[in-house]
Amino acid sequence: KQEVTQIPAALSVPEGENLVLNCSFTDSAIYNLQWFRQDPGKGLTSLLLIQSSQREQTSGRLNASLDKSSGRSTLYIAASQPGDSATYLCAVLDTGRRALTFGSGTRLQVQP
Amino acid sequence: DAGVIQSPRHEVTEMGQEVTLRCKPISGHNSLFWYRQTMMRGLELLIYFNNNVPIDDSGMPEDRFSAKMPNASFSTLKIQPSEPRDSAVYFCASSLTGRRIGELFFGEGSRLTVL
Repeated sequence: KQEVTQIPAALSVPEGENLVLNCSFTDSAIYNLQWFRQDPGKGLTSLLLIQSSQREQTSGRLNASLDKSSGRSTLYIAASQPGDSATYLCAVLDTGRRALTFGSGTRLQVQP
Repeated sequence: DAGVIQSPRHEVTEMGQEVTLRCKPISGHNSLFWYRQTMMRGLELLIYFNNNVPIDDSGMPEDRFSAKMPNASFSTLKIQPSEPRDSAVYFCASSLTGRRIGELFFGEGSRLTVL
């Protein structure tokens, strides 16, 4: 059974800092990996999707990398802003399945 | 474009009562997912449908939970009878399977409190 772990569980940084969020998964037979953002009391918003054949994806100040063989992904946020404060979740889609397995998330607080 | 629409946004009920949560997926999407989120267990998949057919309901906790998708634009998740341990946020999500499999679009969630 696929297990997804995110470290750290919580992170507080000053505005402007570059930061890295980590995600690891136990079964490397994945179809893709997604990073989501969740604001308090809200649903999840998809940020980046990386197919298993890709190494990274970029969107604005966000860059996600994938190392499938080692079961790891990172989300890099450049020049963090208070508006980036949210919980970030990663999720993997196993080959042969059509539903994502989620990590427990990293709660990010960017201090102004 | 309208996103995934869920109702009610908040529901407070007493133990033993029936609860029905509703979801309207994004038009044109052919897969629909029900997830439950709690502080203790995070996001858990309950059931997903593809082309209105339940594909995997192994995450449904027990017989008290049931889900239906009578057509491509509507799904319900029913809990009968409800228990305090069912208190959680229930999310519905949809995707277009076949183009970018697995890219999910979530609704705002239905926060259920069972007293």
